[in-house]
Amino acid sequence: NAGVTQTPKFQVLKTGQSMTLQCAQDMNHNSMYWYRQDPGMGLRLIYYSASEGTTDKGEVPNGYNVSRLNKREFSLRLESAAPSQTSVYFCASSSGLNYGYTFGSGTRLTVV
Amino acid sequence: QKEVEQNSGPLSVPEGAIASLNCTYSDRGSQSFFWYRQYSGKSPELIMFIYSNGDKEDGRFTAQLNKASQYVSLLIRDSQPSDSATYLCAVPGAAGNKLTFGGGTRVLVKP
Repeated sequence: NAGVTQTPKFQVLKTGQSMTLQCAQDMNHNSMYWYRQDPGMGLRLIYYSASEGTTDKGEVPNGYNVSRLNKREFSLRLESAAPSQTSVYFCASSSGLNYGYTFGSGTRLTVV
Repeated sequence: QKEVEQNSGPLSVPEGAIASLNCTYSDRGSQSFFWYRQYSGKSPELIMFIYSNGDKEDGRFTAQLNKASQYVSLLIRDSQPSDSATYLCAVPGAAGNKLTFGGGTRVLVKP
């Protein structure tokens, strides 16, 4: 069982470059989420998708866009990367909040 | 006031002792609470879920909920060096469709 798969695992970008973080889940979950984790800041929600075809902003959406491509896939795009976006990014999925989240392994992004 | 607050630690406990972690939350309407464990460089993994009042036990882990005082605790009995990790508390947001996480408590179990 793959669970939640994130790619890439590591990435270094130059300021102003763009990239897309990919996330796919094989658990038939309706809801998917993107969080970033920074030292001392905990996990902060960037965007989420409660169901296929819907997306909503979280706590820190500025500088990001998302696409819920289908039920399995939820991508996060940085259009013009900034050093402040250096972070570890986690994708998660859920079948309902009574069951919590399943997290992917994370993407460690450095913007120089 | 943050929605979910935890002492960042580190909480240092000797091997075999009980580690006690607390998490306070601001939304009185919160019904369910989650504890995640996160090893350094790894993703969070769900270890406990508690709904409504009372205690829940799973192996060496016990979650205790006190709704009147708006806190949830995690006890780790017979602590092992492998329990050294950061423990994250999470609570559903007011809309009920996403989790809000505390900053985490770092636990160090010393042999």
